[in-house]
Amino acid sequence: AQTVTQSQPEMSVQEAETVTLSCTYDTSESDYYLFWYKQPPSRQMILVIRQEAYKQQNATENRFSVNFQKAAKSFSLKISDSQLGDAAMYFCAYRSAIWSGTYKYIFGTGTRLKVLA
Amino acid sequence: DGGITQSPKYLFRKEGQNVTLSCEQNLNHDAMYWYRQDPGQGLRLIYYSQIVNDFQKGDIAEGYSVSREKKESFPLTVTSAQKNPTAFYLCASNDPGDGTGNTIYFGEGSWLTVV
Repeated sequence: AQTVTQSQPEMSVQEAETVTLSCTYDTSESDYYLFWYKQPPSRQMILVIRQEAYKQQNATENRFSVNFQKAAKSFSLKISDSQLGDAAMYFCAYRSAIWSGTYKYIFGTGTRLKVLA
Repeated sequence: DGGITQSPKYLFRKEGQNVTLSCEQNLNHDAMYWYRQDPGQGLRLIYYSQIVNDFQKGDIAEGYSVSREKKESFPLTVTSAQKNPTAFYLCASNDPGDGTGNTIYFGEGSWLTVV
């Protein structure tokens, strides 16, 4: 079974600085999707960025980028120029590309990011 | 606007009572999901449904029930058999064929407190 591990329960970053959140996963599959979701205090889950495993190029979305290391099964999120609005819980998620009656999304336990003014 | 609507936002239930959480989506997604979120445990899958009139148990289905009579609706009933129901519940949906990169979308969630 696939697992997703976020080993940093909490991180802090100074406003305008850069922070990297770690995520590792375990799978025997070669094709899958990886996601980072943001959950602010409102609790609404918001997609930050996604990566297809077959793409070698790292995904980027404005100030958010990932470092996808397929062999190491690592999928870290880098936030540049951190803003106060980035403060939230961040979840890493995995989804297999193989149909098994459903597409199950597996989530990590989350990393709480604090942004210091 | 398209999205997923969950209601109620906050719900209090007495022990021994069943309660139903509503989830409606107008995204025309085939697949819908219910997750439970507890502190330090991330999101755990309760039930999922790939098509109308079909649903499957997730990882923590005991004490819960669902129905999928309409494509846009996937209500979750928390029964009195659920031993520790106080939690935050998230409904989600996705459509692998709609070109969004297989992204799952979430509602705003429902807080359930057993008193």
